[in-house]
Amino acid sequence: QVQLQESGPGLVKPSETLSLTCTVSGGSISSYYWTWIRQTPGKGLEWIGYMHYSGSTDYNPSLKSRVTISLDTSRNQFSLKLSSVTAADTAVYYCARVVSYCSSSACSWFDPWGQGTLVTVSS
Amino acid sequence: DIQMTQSPSSVSASVGDRVTITCRASQGINSWLAWYQQKPGKAPKLLIYAATSLRSGVPSRFSGSGSGTDFTLTISSLQPEDFATYYCQQANSFPPTFGPGTKVDIK
Repeated sequence: QVQLQESGPGLVKPSETLSLTCTVSGGSISSYYWTWIRQTPGKGLEWIGYMHYSGSTDYNPSLKSRVTISLDTSRNQFSLKLSSVTAADTAVYYCARVVSYCSSSACSWFDPWGQGTLVTVSS
Repeated sequence: DIQMTQSPSSVSASVGDRVTITCRASQGINSWLAWYQQKPGKAPKLLIYAATSLRSGVPSRFSGSGSGTDFTLTISSLQPEDFATYYCQQANSFPPTFGPGTKVDIK
């Protein structure tokens, strides 16, 4: 069965770029759509964006100007970069597989999820 | 964005109780709704998709209903492992959005 594992720095300074990687095991990343979601006590679960191995990608309009998601098929990994971070970006970040599809019109449900990684933005 | 609301925000129940959680969308989403269960320190897990379809491996005491703007998640007989927070998510419009969650705890 497919498993996902997030990795990356747990502490990022304000104005810098947050970078996380999700490693997929038990299946090929060259199938399905892949996504990032974050969770904060204040805003709850917030969808960040998706990518497909074909190159199709889109992001939550609320974050679009700062987000990049990319795939590395040779390593079976996908990555998240969020630039110009502030304390408001402190959250648990999850990677997940999209069950069906994503497009710029809609995105279906997510299963499975990685265990999540806490990223704190602080100087 | 479509706004998702849930009620109640928390519910106290006993083992064996029937528990119903409601999710409402700010506009119609047909049956494009999923339910997730999250336990403390863990990632959400998909329980139900397309409003009524049970994910493989999820116990049959979980069921979902509804379409349009109003949806429910029902746990027919609450078990100790069901104490958790439950979230709904709409998949009808971009971007996908989640409800604020309903915490089910022990009475």
